[in-house]
Amino acid sequence: VMTQSPATLSVSPGERATLSCRASQSVGTKIAWYQQKAGQTPRLLIHTTSTRATGIPARFSGSGSGTEFTLTINTLQSEDFAVYYCQQYNNWPLTFGGGTKVEIK
Amino acid sequence: QVQLVESGGGVVQPGRSLRLSCAVSGFTFSTYGMHWVRQAPGKGLEWVAIISYDGRYRYYADFVGGRFTISRDNSNNTLYLQMSSLRPDDTAVYYCAKDPGYCSGGFCPSNWFDPWGRGTLVTVSS
Repeated sequence: VMTQSPATLSVSPGERATLSCRASQSVGTKIAWYQQKAGQTPRLLIHTTSTRATGIPARFSGSGSGTEFTLTINTLQSEDFAVYYCQQYNNWPLTFGGGTKVEIK
Repeated sequence: QVQLVESGGGVVQPGRSLRLSCAVSGFTFSTYGMHWVRQAPGKGLEWVAIISYDGRYRYYADFVGGRFTISRDNSNNTLYLQMSSLRPDDTAVYYCAKDPGYCSGGFCPSNWFDPWGRGTLVTVSS
């Protein structure tokens, strides 16, 4: 089971957002993060805990291992307000966290 | 440019069947594994199934319970999801997604999803 916190994060543009994802058992570093804007398709941001996908800005970074993971978004831009999901791929079935909504403060 | 376009969604009665399609272009379809992921209205993401590049290996989420079958036609660059015994809780947008993993002569899925199609909505209701 993947648990994300907080469910909602209110942040001002230009500030940093820190999102957490916890696994009920170790998943090593097999964590991916996705961004989903309202009405849009999910987009891969990061895989293998900290490797940014092609075209993803450097303000997005990931860290962690085992059961605790963090997605950090530095200097939030207006286009970053969205829902973020973590996903583990160390165990079958593949599972997602419930998501964190990053909203404008 | 990679494109994945789902189709086949609609309104279906409980207990009936439906087949979803995902037409792919912009990459060598026959080389990559593919996934289906779904999202109930207003809810989070839920992985459904994966199929290997050649169709030999298929894995499903537990909730599928033998009701869904993932398949592919590499000659037509199309992925399918045959769904039967549909239930109201199967109501969701169904996305197809590419698995970026590749290894020569084997099935080496990355098990993350990139990119995704735009999805097709399946509504199970009487």
